Amino acid sequence: SQKIEQNSEALNIQEGKTATLTCNYTNYSPAYLQWYRQDPGRGPVFLLLIRENEKEKRKERLKVTFDTTLKQSLFHITASQPADSATYLCALVRAAGNKLTFGGGTRVLVKP
Amino acid sequence: DTEVTQTPKHLVMGMTNKKSLKCEQHMGHRAMYWYKQKAKKPPELMFVYSYEKLSINESVPSRFSPECPNSSLLNLHLHALQPEDSALYLCASSQDLSTSGTYTGELFFGEGSRLTVL
Repeated sequence: SQKIEQNSEALNIQEGKTATLTCNYTNYSPAYLQWYRQDPGRGPVFLLLIRENEKEKRKERLKVTFDTTLKQSLFHITASQPADSATYLCALVRAAGNKLTFGGGTRVLVKP
Repeated sequence: DTEVTQTPKHLVMGMTNKKSLKCEQHMGHRAMYWYKQKAKKPPELMFVYSYEKLSINESVPSRFSPECPNSSLLNLHLHALQPEDSALYLCASSQDLSTSGTYTGELFFGEGSRLTVL
């Protein structure tokens, strides 16, 4: 069966350090991989998209890598700040159809 | 502020009630979505509309009935719900993957409607 797995345990990190989150998938051939941020009681907010033929994407303090051989994406928050505390969701999109499927999410807590 | 507006923000209903959740977007997106999210779980896809036509139904019980009256509006009609249906219902919109040559992949979510079924 298809699975999208993220670290279910919360990630506690000191302010200023780099947070690294993992998204692994099986039995899936995504065309795109996306990362979203979700704050409690609010809808997810899109952060970054990476295509299957791209290795790395950056946006400000965020970096995403995509390894289709390992079936894994890494999401990095550099110089983390308390305001980065939230749940981060990876999501996969197939080439056909508008179907976006989310992983379980990883909660990040950045301590001052 | 999100560009997808959902109403109501909170809804409490009995198991025999009929109610509706509403969603509106004015970004010209031709794909619209309903997701259901339980506490500490990821959003689960329920329905996808593409150009006002239902394109994906993830085997959702018939007590949930979606409707897309036009390209800007999406409704979710609720009838005879169960307490386990209590959740945050999220609406989202995007460019349509099948037709957009410049697909960015970004889903725009509303803030959700918090539903409690008594």
